Amino acid sequence: SAVISQKPSRDICQRGTSLTIQCQVDSQVTMMFWYRQQPGQSLTLIATANQGSEATYESGFVIDKFPISRPNLTFSTLTVSNMSPEDSSIYLCSANHGGSYNEQFFGPGTRLTVL
Amino acid sequence: AQKVTQAQTEISVVEKEDVTLDCVYETRDTTYYLFWYKQPPSGELVFLIRRNSFDEQNEISGRYSWNFQKSTSSFNFTITASQVVDSAVYFCALSPPQETSGSRLTFGEGTQLTVNP
Repeated sequence: SAVISQKPSRDICQRGTSLTIQCQVDSQVTMMFWYRQQPGQSLTLIATANQGSEATYESGFVIDKFPISRPNLTFSTLTVSNMSPEDSSIYLCSANHGGSYNEQFFGPGTRLTVL
Repeated sequence: AQKVTQAQTEISVVEKEDVTLDCVYETRDTTYYLFWYKQPPSGELVFLIRRNSFDEQNEISGRYSWNFQKSTSSFNFTITASQVVDSAVYFCALSPPQETSGSRLTFGEGTQLTVNP
């Protein structure tokens, strides 16, 4: 199984600023995913990140607000731009194993609070 | 469109009781995958099981068991002899086949399980 780490684990930010979250996987994976979990709610997919191509965003999420990088097969970043208190959530990175088993593992999450 | 429904928002049991968490799904895909995850208070999402839609065999892993009924689009999860450490939010999730759009998971709303001593 893949081991996924995220940085930072938590942060408190001021309104109007931006935060970049890093996700590192211990093995090469074809697809990486970013999810948001708002307080007390379920997880919602933000976007899918493939290495060497533009990220694919889900309905309701746009690149200007959540730019994503995927420079290689083990790393991705998600930036939360021009933050507002409504962006306070846990952001989770997930990686698809890439084999035939379609397993998906999650990082520990980044707990973001926007004041 | 895919949808996952976990009708039980909260369940509270006493230790050693058996508890079943319900999951009903909707999809137009002929093949798909179903998942269960556990999210303890620490917030990390713990993978429990993945089930291929072709495989309707029930599965048992220790105190955990899963009942997949394709005819009723359900994938229920039972914990036998529950323990306080089982207290967590449990999510059921659905994904299309990897070859079409990868493991884009659609999650249910989650069931908060509290096991009291």
